[in-house]
Amino acid sequence: EPEVTQTPSHQVTQMGQEVILRCVPISNHLYFYWYRQILGQKVEFLVSFYNNEISEKSEIFDDQFSVERPDGSNFTLKIRSTKLEDSAMYFCASSAGPKGAREQYFGPGTRLTVT
Amino acid sequence: AQKVTQAQTEISVVEKEDVTLDCVYETRDTTYYLFWYKQPPSGELVFLIRRNSFDEQNEISGRYSWNFQKSTSSFNFTITASQVVDSAVYFCALSEGGSEKLVFGKGTKLTVNP
Repeated sequence: EPEVTQTPSHQVTQMGQEVILRCVPISNHLYFYWYRQILGQKVEFLVSFYNNEISEKSEIFDDQFSVERPDGSNFTLKIRSTKLEDSAMYFCASSAGPKGAREQYFGPGTRLTVT
Repeated sequence: AQKVTQAQTEISVVEKEDVTLDCVYETRDTTYYLFWYKQPPSGELVFLIRRNSFDEQNEISGRYSWNFQKSTSSFNFTITASQVVDSAVYFCALSEGGSEKLVFGKGTKLTVNP
């Protein structure tokens, strides 16, 4: 069964460093998402991406964040200058359709620890 | 504004008991979608079900069933004859028709004891 994959599973970085989190969405999906979950809290939407551009973003997704689909399979989230409060589990998701019309399938997550 | 409330923070049951997880949502849209996801201790988010606002028919899938009631803005999830493997955090989520994002509730941690 197709699944979303994410690398690395755990990333430790120092405050102020740039990190890139990588995702490979399900191959025939066209809609891509990033969410984050601070430890013990609820899952929060960051950004959605379709047709090589951001379709929606939350107020969390400020200028420190960017997303890219560098090739036909990868979808990346970059944090330019990490802060302690960026420590969280980051989930990538993909969907075959937009705006809730189809379910979003999530990857296993990347745990980001900023020290 | 859209909002999802899962009032039960933690539930503990003994194996084979039935358990219902509550979900109450708020939205001004007439078109919206509701979801349940399971997050086992390993941490991934597993999709369980999606319903749209025009389909109030209840659904059963094995030991799982869902009760969608627009009159009370609720989308409750029942596990029949619970098993230890059902132990997880369960999230209810809402997507308004014009939005890409899923808005999650805070989750209910279910522990099923042998």
